[in-house]
Amino acid sequence: GEDVEQSLFLSVREGDSSVINCTYTDSSSTYLYWYKQEPGAGLQLLTYIFSNMDMKQDQRLTVLLNKKDKHLSLRIADTQTGDSAIYFCAETPYGNKLVFGAGTILRVKS
Amino acid sequence: NAGVMQNPRHLVRRRGQEARLRCSPMKGHSHVYWYRQLPEEGLKFMVYLQKENIIDESGMPKERFSAEFPKEGPSILRIQQVVRGDSAAYFCASTPMSGGTGTTDTQYFGPGTRLTVL
Repeated sequence: GEDVEQSLFLSVREGDSSVINCTYTDSSSTYLYWYKQEPGAGLQLLTYIFSNMDMKQDQRLTVLLNKKDKHLSLRIADTQTGDSAIYFCAETPYGNKLVFGAGTILRVKS
Repeated sequence: NAGVMQNPRHLVRRRGQEARLRCSPMKGHSHVYWYRQLPEEGLKFMVYLQKENIIDESGMPKERFSAEFPKEGPSILRIQQVVRGDSAAYFCASTPMSGGTGTTDTQYFGPGTRLTVL
């Protein structure tokens, strides 16, 4: 397909783990990114992974990359209410410009 | 160290008016990208500029939209004769250097300008 695909919505309880999934389009994308957008705000870069890596861990965040299936996931451990936001994955198949998914809304219930 | 700045944060225009959106990149950054986010959608690339040069405008609508990044001053995204369908959030991002294979040019985003066309 031509679109970066993400599930629309995820609801978790505070303290649980969240896993947000993304299917991207182009195996030539060198880097894959996760951005977070809080209501009314811009995008905050959370983390990125180089395409020759399978996994990257950064504190509560774990990124898994399956190049064969073009599947990217973001795991947030011990999810907090402050993690409630929209999460976008993005790839760079055409040089510099980012191609985004439609975003996954994460709701954290206390 | 100020981040990417955009102004205005909110802009209301009537159909047929012009909208001018400004973006000041992070200090030391000379590359600017503009993206548009329609309601409940992801961001779509519009244009990539360096100082005084448009590098890639493949995402720009063919008419009414233009962008510039002069030697001095902010980057400007200009929308002439706005229509209701132009209502969206417009984000700019900046990087310090051009991209290349094997490098990461993390794009730092501004807070966006939310354009409402009445």
